[in-house]
Amino acid sequence: NAGVTQTPKFQVLKTGQSMTLQCAQDMNHNSMYWYRQDPGMGLRLIYYSASEGTTDKGEVPNGYNVSRLNKREFSLRLESAAPSQTSVYFCASNAGTHNEQFFGPGTRLTVL
Amino acid sequence: GENVEQHPSTLSVQEGDSAVIKCTYSDSASNYFPWYKQELGKGPQLIIDIRSNVGEKKDQRIAVTLNKTAKHFSLHITETQPEDSAVYFCAGFTGFQKLVFGTGTRLLVSP
Repeated sequence: NAGVTQTPKFQVLKTGQSMTLQCAQDMNHNSMYWYRQDPGMGLRLIYYSASEGTTDKGEVPNGYNVSRLNKREFSLRLESAAPSQTSVYFCASNAGTHNEQFFGPGTRLTVL
Repeated sequence: GENVEQHPSTLSVQEGDSAVIKCTYSDSASNYFPWYKQELGKGPQLIIDIRSNVGEKKDQRIAVTLNKTAKHFSLHITETQPEDSAVYFCAGFTGFQKLVFGTGTRLLVSP
């Protein structure tokens, strides 16, 4: 099992450009999450999907959209990137409440 | 909503010493508290967790304690080794399947 995979690993964008971060898990998990990690601020939840077909906002959803394409895949889209979105983005999944969240390796995004 | 505070932000110890990281939470309804370890360039990985019906849990050199009355929980690492050097995050479960993370502790274990 590959666990949680993310693409790309690194990305540099110019302000105003758009891009989609891809995430996939092969553990048959119901729930998937997108976090951003900034220095001194820990991990903050952007969006999550409790099950296939549902998505909900987390703590910092502004400027982002998500799609739960199927049970395996959960993508994060930046429609018009801003320098404030420079961060490391992590995707995670778990089987349900009170179960371990498994994290992907992260995508380091820089917006110039 | 839930707020989780974590201290210290950095911790330096000598190999073989013990390390303690402390977290407090605000929502008395929180009932699940995991700890994650993040090595450089990698995603966080669960190392231990505790549920609110338990006061302490151990796994080899790692232990977590929970004080529900005071709303704080702690990670204890004994006999630290250089490979314990990493960033550690505590988290609280808010319900709706969402975790709220602390701001992290950078642990440095010197040989």
